[in-house]
Amino acid sequence: GAGVSQSPSNKVTEKGKDVELRCDPISGHTALYWYRQSLGQGLEFLIYFQGNSAPDKSGLPSDRFSAERTGGSVSTLTIQRTQQEDSAVYLCASSWVTGGRGNTEAFFGQGTRLTVV
Amino acid sequence: QKEVEQDPGPLSVPEGAIVSLNCTYSNSAFQYFMWYRQYSRKGPELLMYTYSSGNKEDGRFTAQVDKSSKYISLFIRDSQPSDSATYLCAMSGPGGYNKLIFGAGTRLAVHP
Repeated sequence: GAGVSQSPSNKVTEKGKDVELRCDPISGHTALYWYRQSLGQGLEFLIYFQGNSAPDKSGLPSDRFSAERTGGSVSTLTIQRTQQEDSAVYLCASSWVTGGRGNTEAFFGQGTRLTVV
Repeated sequence: QKEVEQDPGPLSVPEGAIVSLNCTYSNSAFQYFMWYRQYSRKGPELLMYTYSSGNKEDGRFTAQVDKSSKYISLFIRDSQPSDSATYLCAMSGPGGYNKLIFGAGTRLAVHP
């Protein structure tokens, strides 16, 4: 597809279970972001992948959260031992980064709505 | 203190009003400034993109950046009910600062 694709669109899980969220970025985009958005809140930065550089993990809230990006394309965000406070919409975005201009427009997926019960 | 501060509103205005949305920031390395619009249950979409200081106009929308004051604004003229959404400012810098940092978002309601 032409846009950023996220799956699943909705996920309900029991407290303590692990979940995996998937993001397919736009082909050719070198940068990929994960954000979290709680109800009525702004976007909380989680992690940033840029090309072959080490990812910026400074936004991950705890060691239960991890993410990987395979082959510079698809990314998976994993939350282990989910807690009720992990309930939120998880948004993925990708962009084309140029050396001189930094980030250009970031395109967002529709998000995965995670509910931990 | 957050790197980017944005009044969450909500802001309610009548149709046809001029709307002013603002963000302040603390990191002087930011050079790229963006405004995103997010409709309910949708991902954000880019509305305006500005490099460094100055103004940029696109139809009814004007973005202003004042780097000396670390202050950015988005103006919406002749606001329409279809403008009702959450508006998020975002910014990034070159090199090691090029991850996008967002404000909290301002919820805008334009009523007929």
